[in-house]
Amino acid sequence: AQSVSQHNHHVILSEAASLELGCNYSYGGTVNLFWYVQYPGQHLQLLLKYFSGDPLVKGIKGFEAEFIKSKFSFNLRKPSVQWSDTAEYFCAVPSGGYNKLIFGAGTRLAVHP
Amino acid sequence: EAGVAQSPRYKIIEKRQSVAFWCNPISGHATLYWYQQILGQGPKLLIQFQNNGVVDDSQLPKDRFSAERLKGVDSTLKIQPAKLEDSAVYLCASSLGPTGFEQFFGPGTRLTVL
Repeated sequence: AQSVSQHNHHVILSEAASLELGCNYSYGGTVNLFWYVQYPGQHLQLLLKYFSGDPLVKGIKGFEAEFIKSKFSFNLRKPSVQWSDTAEYFCAVPSGGYNKLIFGAGTRLAVHP
Repeated sequence: EAGVAQSPRYKIIEKRQSVAFWCNPISGHATLYWYQQILGQGPKLLIQFQNNGVVDDSQLPKDRFSAERLKGVDSTLKIQPAKLEDSAVYLCASSLGPTGFEQFFGPGTRLTVL
């Protein structure tokens, strides 16, 4: 079965620092990939998604992610974080015939002003 | 566009009691999901409905958990009897269809079992 690993459970950064959060999935082949974000007190919401085409995907709020098939990775990046990026970030991959989402354990990001 | 609605937002019960959660998906969304999110973990799918039929309940503890989706719209998730390890946030999500569509999440119900 498909599985997702997020390597960093807690990340602390200062504003303007660069961010990269790791995500690896277990199965190759055709994959769709997602990053969801949960800001404090808010719902889980989609940050960006990859279905096909350009492996560099741009999402909301200046985030981007790169799909590297050979490494089974879909790392999330942002060149300069802001205090408002403080949130928990989840990588997810569909699995099975009805594409249920398999989530990673999440990375809790704290950005200090 | 109204989002996914869930109630209650918080629930505290004692073990062996029963509890029910309600979800109203976004209008027109055929697919509805219930996830369990235990503290420190990512959401885990419990059950997935396509209209009013179950398409995946492989991780639903069927001896104590049940769910239904009335007329392909609202859904309820029930736990009877609850155990301490059921303490978690229960998330409802919906999407236009089962594949290739974004899932929209509700605010969740935080369940504490004492």
